[in-house]
Amino acid sequence: AQSVTQLDSHVSVSEGTPVLLRCNYSSSYSPSLFWYVQHPNKGLQLLLKYTSAATLVKGINGFEAEFKKSETSFHLTKPSAHMSDAAEYFCVVIKGGTYKYIFGTGTRLKVLA
Amino acid sequence: NAGVMQNPRHLVRRRGQEARLRCSPMKGHSHVYWYRQLPEEGLKFMVYLQKENIIDESGMPKERFSAEFPKEGPSILRIQQVVRGDSAAYFCASSPGTENSPLHFGNGTRLTVT
Repeated sequence: AQSVTQLDSHVSVSEGTPVLLRCNYSSSYSPSLFWYVQHPNKGLQLLLKYTSAATLVKGINGFEAEFKKSETSFHLTKPSAHMSDAAEYFCVVIKGGTYKYIFGTGTRLKVLA
Repeated sequence: NAGVMQNPRHLVRRRGQEARLRCSPMKGHSHVYWYRQLPEEGLKFMVYLQKENIIDESGMPKERFSAEFPKEGPSILRIQQVVRGDSAAYFCASSPGTENSPLHFGNGTRLTVT
């Protein structure tokens, strides 16, 4: 069965410093993985997706994530945090050929001035 | 290309009333998912529908909740005889149904039961 674990419920960084949001997955098959961002009172917006092509995936707003099969990880990174990045981030896994999207519990990112 | 449209954005109901939440998927999308989000919590899957079919309703409470996605018109999530515990944000997402396609979300309906 698929599962996804977001290792940190809260992350605080200073503006201009790097961001690392961690996600580990469990899947018996080659998964597809996504990162979404949710700003207050908004829906979820797709940041990036991995679907078995290049292992380093670039997304919107300067975010990227690297799929590491040996570590079963798909961590989200950004070189320099901006105040507008403060939001909740969700890691999502789906088993290929199915409709079941499994959501992590979310990581709330706080950006300090 | 309009995204996923949910209405109303905010809905206030008194205990015992009915709530109807609407979702129009993105153009070309025939698969709809409903999720519930409580404050400070993640998303909980409720139901997955295709046109005129409920594929998976394993996340729906057994009573008072129902969902449909008719051939014409939006998908509807209906909650009968609402209780305070139903207060939450309800999100709809759609996909074209192709393998590994991402979900596209609406901005949600925030239901408050007084």
